Amino acid sequence: SQQGEEDPQALSIQEGENATMNCSYKTSINNLQWYRQNSGRGLVHLILIRSNEREKHSGRLRVTLDTSKKSSSLLITASRAADTASYFCASNTGKLIFGQGTTLQVKP
Amino acid sequence: ETGVTQTPRHLVMGMTNKKSLKCEQHLGHNAMYWYKQSAKKPLELMFVYSLEERVENNSVPSRFSPECPNSSHLFLHLHTLQPEDSALYLCASSQGQGYDTQYFGPGTRLTVL
Repeated sequence: SQQGEEDPQALSIQEGENATMNCSYKTSINNLQWYRQNSGRGLVHLILIRSNEREKHSGRLRVTLDTSKKSSSLLITASRAADTASYFCASNTGKLIFGQGTTLQVKP
Repeated sequence: ETGVTQTPRHLVMGMTNKKSLKCEQHLGHNAMYWYKQSAKKPLELMFVYSLEERVENNSVPSRFSPECPNSSHLFLHLHTLQPEDSALYLCASSQGQGYDTQYFGPGTRLTVL
């Protein structure tokens, strides 16, 4: 498997529900970043969590990092239709390696 | 609006054409990047420039030629492309070259006929 793999590949939920996306990586990291991409647009940085941090919050976003399992999760609480997008994790190993992303659809 | 602009937004070219993609960042950053995003593949890093010097070239075919005349501008010159080069080409910038937070432009959707 590749560095920075997301799971699931696709997720469909109702507005108001929570969405959880997971990311696994293979080698030691300096930090791990989450990005969002609306269809056909550029990526927007959401949150960065450093290797010595375990949890970070930003608004409705909560990111966790477990370096022992080489995994991270992104939780979006109280989802909105506007959260519909693709979400990518990127592991910083001295290079930034992106996963293939999770496509999230939030139905109104 | 991330402070990184790209032109053109869409480009259709034949395999014998020569064209250039332009990226400009208004953030005072020192590093700029070109990425290629193809369907169903992870984002691929193509080139990295730090303080106008190329510091990384990820085995990109020579039909892609980058140019960084100053820290605010980055070009990708294209010639003799193949249909498989059709993709979304994204430019990004960051404060330093340490791959911390990257700011992406909206991308150029390239179609090679």
